[in-house]
Amino acid sequence: EAQVTQNPRYLITVTGKKLTVTCSQNMNHEYMSWYRQDPGLGLRQIYYSMNVEVTDKGDVPEGYKVSRKEKRNFPLILESPSPNQTSLYFCASSFEPSGDGYTFGSGTRLTVV
Amino acid sequence: QQPVQSPQAVILREGEDAVINCSSSKALYSVHWYRQKHGEAPVFLMILLKGGEQKGHEKISASFNEKKQQSSLYLTASQLSYSGTYFCGTDNYGQNFVFGPGTRLSVLP
Repeated sequence: EAQVTQNPRYLITVTGKKLTVTCSQNMNHEYMSWYRQDPGLGLRQIYYSMNVEVTDKGDVPEGYKVSRKEKRNFPLILESPSPNQTSLYFCASSFEPSGDGYTFGSGTRLTVV
Repeated sequence: QQPVQSPQAVILREGEDAVINCSSSKALYSVHWYRQKHGEAPVFLMILLKGGEQKGHEKISASFNEKKQQSSLYLTASQLSYSGTYFCGTDNYGQNFVFGPGTRLSVLP
């Protein structure tokens, strides 16, 4: 089944404790992206990647890191999480976003206390 | 820059029609539409490329006016399953792909 797999689905952590949210797609998509969703603000892009070893900042990249060492994987890293990073996170992938729709992962609900 | 969606929310009875609008202050190459049900991931509905085309997906269709930099999503004869939040996403010629804030649609029996 074609899908984007995110883990974990739920995570509660403490301020400053490094964490990684994994994202993997099995559709051979070139383009991958991370979004955070907060009430009233819609989906805001954190980072995106056009291909392996190519990443770029989105609208809200502060406090986040990503890497794209393999085409299928695009992990999101929070080196020192803070409470304002409490949010619902989505990974998404596409062949080419200008001409093809995104497939989203199931989401990761992160709480930083 | 985030596109503007209107209305913010709409409540319908089953069988009624609705229109959701999406507009951008920048030139658009393409517009996407997604629906998100509560607690779930957004699901892709359709994409419209520049050229003013109109697309359909069951009883849901959309138009794209690139000169006015806006798109509209049309839901006809609404069903209960249409409830959710609808997002447009815009591609501004190679700049960041950006989603709108969403329109919450509630269809009542």
